[in-house]
Amino acid sequence: AQSVTQLDSHVSVSEGTPVLLRCNYSSSYSPSLFWYVQHPNKGLQLLLKYTSAATLVKGINGFEAEFKKSETSFHLTKPSAHMSDAAEYFCVVSGGGADGLTFGKGTHLIIQP
Amino acid sequence: DGGITQSPKYLFRKEGQNVTLSCEQNLNHDAMYWYRQDPGQGLRLIYYSQIVNDFQKGDIAEGYSVSREKKESFPLTVTSAQKNPTAFYLCASTSVTGESYNSPLHFGNGTRLTVT
Repeated sequence: AQSVTQLDSHVSVSEGTPVLLRCNYSSSYSPSLFWYVQHPNKGLQLLLKYTSAATLVKGINGFEAEFKKSETSFHLTKPSAHMSDAAEYFCVVSGGGADGLTFGKGTHLIIQP
Repeated sequence: DGGITQSPKYLFRKEGQNVTLSCEQNLNHDAMYWYRQDPGQGLRLIYYSQIVNDFQKGDIAEGYSVSREKKESFPLTVTSAQKNPTAFYLCASTSVTGESYNSPLHFGNGTRLTVT
């Protein structure tokens, strides 16, 4: 069994300040972990993925995430927020099976001008 | 460009009517998925298909049906038995390497269904 918890339903930051979106997971296997972004009325777009290579993963648009096995966390960060980063972000864990994707409930990122 | 096309973008239906949502991909992916998205709930799996002419129920399959007659196409029918069909529906696909499903999902832009 696997699960994923996004610790904040909403995060609000000012433009130009750092972003931190928190994700904890549980999995019986060595999981693959993903972060996706969704803009309003759009599908989800992959930001980055962890599949047991380097623990610090760099993604698109300046985002990165660090896999910490001891803390079962996979937090998403960005050094400087941009207005275009305003969106819904999903943390996803995969156990590798065909139906094995588990989605977090999402974090709504708000960027204040 | 390769991708997933969902149509229509918006769909309105009266209660008691069946409705079919289209999903077509030209990525040559074997596996395809249907998810339902409600505010604050994340994505929930309705059905998935690993190969043509085969599909499996996901977590919330009741009131839905699918077919997979072609590799490129995975239409979803929302039947009158679905008690609360108003939602945003997302189709996705992924490549499969052996037994591994760790490749990222590619998503369509969704269909917003409103039933009144």
